[in-house]
Amino acid sequence: DTGVSQNPRHKITKRGQNVTFRCDPISEHNRLYWYRQTLGQGPEFLTYFQNEAQLEKSRLLSDRFSAERPKGSFSTLEIQRTEQGDSAMYLCASSLIGQGDTGELFFGEGSRLTVL
Amino acid sequence: GNSVTQMEGPVTLSEEAFLTINCTYTATGYPSLFWYVQYPGEGLQLLLKATKADDKGSNKGFEATYRKETTSFHLEKGSVQVSDSAVYFCALRGAVMDSSYKLIFGSGTRLLVRP
Repeated sequence: DTGVSQNPRHKITKRGQNVTFRCDPISEHNRLYWYRQTLGQGPEFLTYFQNEAQLEKSRLLSDRFSAERPKGSFSTLEIQRTEQGDSAMYLCASSLIGQGDTGELFFGEGSRLTVL
Repeated sequence: GNSVTQMEGPVTLSEEAFLTINCTYTATGYPSLFWYVQYPGEGLQLLLKATKADDKGSNKGFEATYRKETTSFHLEKGSVQVSDSAVYFCALRGAVMDSSYKLIFGSGTRLLVRP
């Protein structure tokens, strides 16, 4: 399967610990997005990359959150000093901008974070 | 800024009933509009889309028409099946001048279809 892959699928951590999520996008896609989804809500945009450049960050992304996409391939989202309010599903999506752009974002199955 | 409002759920229907899930949007210019579906335990999948006014997107018996005059993109299906039970999200992508191409989602509508 060559879809968007996210790991780990579920992470349980104690408040104050750091966590890191990884996203492997569809290989030829140049855009990568991170979203957060809480129960009963739609996905909320956090940040996106074009190739290795992080071009936009939402105000939802506090200083405790950092995302990287070295070499323009996989991406990591790190949350430092986790708080209970960080408990959510973290979604990664990728897309192709330019020739072949259909407007569609392709989503992974998400990484669920539970902060105790 | 851009936003999407969709009807709250859950929507509970009997099999073969007609489905409408309302979606309205606020945006500058001419956004692209999407419906995504999330089946239990699965990731978000594109259901259908429309990129300009009066376009009709369709897939798997679902349809939605991009209405610029009412800023709406309501999802319809003539005869739902139990397998359509899922959460449906309306979303928009900003006009060309919004270079991020990020999607803005509504809060989702849960559909439960009973046999």
